[in-house]
Amino acid sequence: AQKVTQAQTEISVVEKEDVTLDCVYETRDTTYYLFWYKQPPSGELVFLIRRNSFDEQNEISGRYSWNFQKSTSSFNFTITASQVVDSAVYFCALSRAGNNRKLIWGLGTSLAVNP
Amino acid sequence: KAGVTQTPRYLIKTRGQQVTLSCSPISGHRSVSWYQQTPGQGLQFLFEYFSETQRNKGNFPGRFSGRQFSNSRSEMNVSTLELGDSALYLCASSPPTGIGNYEQYFGPGTRLTVT
Repeated sequence: AQKVTQAQTEISVVEKEDVTLDCVYETRDTTYYLFWYKQPPSGELVFLIRRNSFDEQNEISGRYSWNFQKSTSSFNFTITASQVVDSAVYFCALSRAGNNRKLIWGLGTSLAVNP
Repeated sequence: KAGVTQTPRYLIKTRGQQVTLSCSPISGHRSVSWYQQTPGQGLQFLFEYFSETQRNKGNFPGRFSGRQFSNSRSEMNVSTLELGDSALYLCASSPPTGIGNYEQYFGPGTRLTVT
């Protein structure tokens, strides 16, 4: 069975601090996809990144970076120099390959960035 | 391109009633998925439709059903509403299958309250 665990329920930081959100997944598939989504207070889920299981290259996009490690089944997300606008709930999700759009979600990490 | 739209945004219903929620995907997207989000269970996959056919289904009772029209618009229906059906219902659309085309883009959701 597939499972996603986000052990951190809530994180509170002060603006400009770096913060890492952890995501650990379980799957027996050799090909799969991992995602991060952001859900601000407005409620709409915003797609941040997709990572294929066969591509372990880390990615950086502005202040955001992602560290994918198959050896530890982790896909962690780091926000550098956090800002108040980063306050949101962040979800990690997993899907199988093929014609399958079913996302298995973690319970989310609520990030509060305080001025 | 316009994003995913969902109507209505808010709905209040009474136990035992039925409800229909509507979703219009991003133009050109043929896959539409539905998710239920509650504080207790988090995000759970309901079903996915592609070319008017249900392609995947989550573990929800038969009271939850859906359909997709030839223009890719989708509706989901919940019959005999229960208090536990109170949730944010999210619709997502996804581009046609292909390398790099697994992201799902979400609408703002419909907040259903059952009293």
